[in-house]
Amino acid sequence: EAQVTQNPRYLITVTGKKLTVTCSQNMNHEYMSWYRQDPGLGLRQIYYSMNVEVTDKGDVPEGYKVSRKEKRNFPLILESPSPNQTSLYFCASSFIGTATRSYTFGSGTRLTVV
Amino acid sequence: QKEVEQDPGPLSVPEGAIVSLNCTYSNSAFQYFMWYRQYSRKGPELLMYTYSSGNKEDGRFTAQVDKSSKYISLFIRDSQPSDSATYLCAMRRSGGSYIPTFGRGTSLIVHP
Repeated sequence: EAQVTQNPRYLITVTGKKLTVTCSQNMNHEYMSWYRQDPGLGLRQIYYSMNVEVTDKGDVPEGYKVSRKEKRNFPLILESPSPNQTSLYFCASSFIGTATRSYTFGSGTRLTVV
Repeated sequence: QKEVEQDPGPLSVPEGAIVSLNCTYSNSAFQYFMWYRQYSRKGPELLMYTYSSGNKEDGRFTAQVDKSSKYISLFIRDSQPSDSATYLCAMRRSGGSYIPTFGRGTSLIVHP
């Protein structure tokens, strides 16, 4: 089944403890992206990657890091999480040329930082 | 001003009603228009997409684009409780490297 897989689905952590949220897609998509979704603010893009070893900042990159060493994986790293990073996170991927119909989201990771 | 504006709602309607969900946008370069449906605790899923102006129908759903007014709509006929979800509009420019810009989403509640 074609899908974007995020892990973990739920995570509670303490301020300052480094964490990684994994994202993997099995559709050979070039493009991958991370969003956070907060009530009233909608989806806000954190980072995106057009291909392996090519990453760029989205609208809200502060406090986050990403890497794209393999085409299928795009992990999101929080080096020192803070409570304002409590949110619902989504990974998405698509073919660049057909982003209209191929843009696919993962099921989400709900992160709570205490 | 955000590129894509969408009223967050919630919009509450009785079962069987016709629902109208709308987005406005400011970038005249947008050519592709999409609607995503997001159930609670799930990721958004593509519902429909259209190119340029006009209407597109898929079962109970109709997507409408008015580029002259920079206004898009999603109509749901004979709405069902299972349609209760958040609906996000999205749009993108033509050309290979352009990725969708999303609206904030409208929460729809269809009560029995």
